[in-house]
This record gives sequence, C-alpha cells and structure tokens, in this order.
Amino acid sequence: AQSVTQLDSQVPVFEEAPVELRCNYSSSVSVYLFWYVQYPNQGLQLLLKYLSGSTLVESINGFEAEFNKSQTSFHLRKPSVHISDTAEYFCAVLFYNQGGKLIFGQGTELSVKP
Amino acid sequence: EPEVTQTPSHQVTQMGQEVILRCVPISNHLYFYWYRQILGQKVEFLVSFYNNEISEKSEIFDDQFSVERPDGSNFTLKIRSTKLEDSAMYFCASTRTVMNTEAFFGQGTRLTVV
Repeated sequence: AQSVTQLDSQVPVFEEAPVELRCNYSSSVSVYLFWYVQYPNQGLQLLLKYLSGSTLVESINGFEAEFNKSQTSFHLRKPSVHISDTAEYFCAVLFYNQGGKLIFGQGTELSVKP
Repeated sequence: EPEVTQTPSHQVTQMGQEVILRCVPISNHLYFYWYRQILGQKVEFLVSFYNNEISEKSEIFDDQFSVERPDGSNFTLKIRSTKLEDSAMYFCASTRTVMNTEAFFGQGTRLTVV
C-alpha cells in the first residue's frame, strides 16, 4: 500500500538549534516528494521538492531535504531555526502513474522558542 | 507570481444547507483539485478534475459533493446538505500537467457547519 508517515506530530526547539522533521513513505512505484509549509491561519506553500537528479534539495530559506531511496525517506533539516520558522510542515508524495493527487503525511508542528 | 484564489475565506453555514466554495485556478493550468483538512488532521485528497470531468475521487467525495467548472475561470465545490463533520479547511489546487510537480494551492476556505 502507498502511504506517507511523519513520525513526529510536534517538534519543539530553541531558536538557532538544528532541527530534523522526518518523513517516510511506502511505495511500489517511483515517487516525487514535496515539503509544504503552513503558517498559522494561512494556506499551503511549497517549501521544496525532489523530482529527479541530486538527492539533496534546498529551499531559499535554509531548509534542505534528502531523498533516500533505500530508506524510503525524505527528511527535512535546517541547521539553525528562527522564530519565524514556527509552522506546520507537511510531507507530500506524488506516486507515479497514480494520477495527479498528492498524498500528505499527518503534519509536524514545529514550534521554535526563544 | 501567479496564484490560486479561493472565496470566501471563511463560511459559516447551518447543518443541512448547501454551500458552494469557489476557486480561481491559475489561468494556463489544466488540472484542478480539491483537498480537505479537518482541524488538527492531515490534508486529504477529495477530487481531481480535468477536461470538464472528474478524473479521480476519494472515498470522502460521496454523492453530497460535486464539482463544476461553470466558466473558463472558476472551479467550484458544492456540498449539497452539509453535516457537522464537513467542517474543515478546503483547499483548491491547480497544475499545468497531470504530474503534479508544480501544484499551486489557494489560501483555503474554512467551512464551519453549525
């Protein structure tokens, strides 16, 4: 069965600390991988994506994610977080040849404290 | 930057009433989607739409739901007889191609059924 799992529902960290938000998926077909961010009372914004090529992808605000095919993971990392990174982060997967729908993980609430 | 717009941002309705949620996708996009996020839960796929017909729908998308593209710009989601459990944030998304590598989401409509 095809599924997406975010292992942590909440991740509290202090400002300037590193953070990793975990995402694993299960699939028998090729995948495209995405991280979306949802700031309080706002919609979904694409943070970064993996389609092909280099397994390490980066966003403009310092986040990076690495596609690990053997571990079927796409963990999101940032070496030093800011208060403004406080948001809900969703991992999403597009399964090849399964139509265009995205399958989302449960979300991880990142809370950055001063 | 192009964007998907949704109206209204918030709608309160009485149980049993019909509601129509509206979306204006990006103008050169061909594939349209509705997703739902119940408070505190993950984002779930409802339906995809292409070439004036439904491409795929989830188990959630029962006979109470319908979608339409009434003109060249709007894409609507109708719920015929709302239930309390329909209370959620509804997101519209659009893509240029079926492989959803550049999905743009609207800001969402928060539907509250009382």
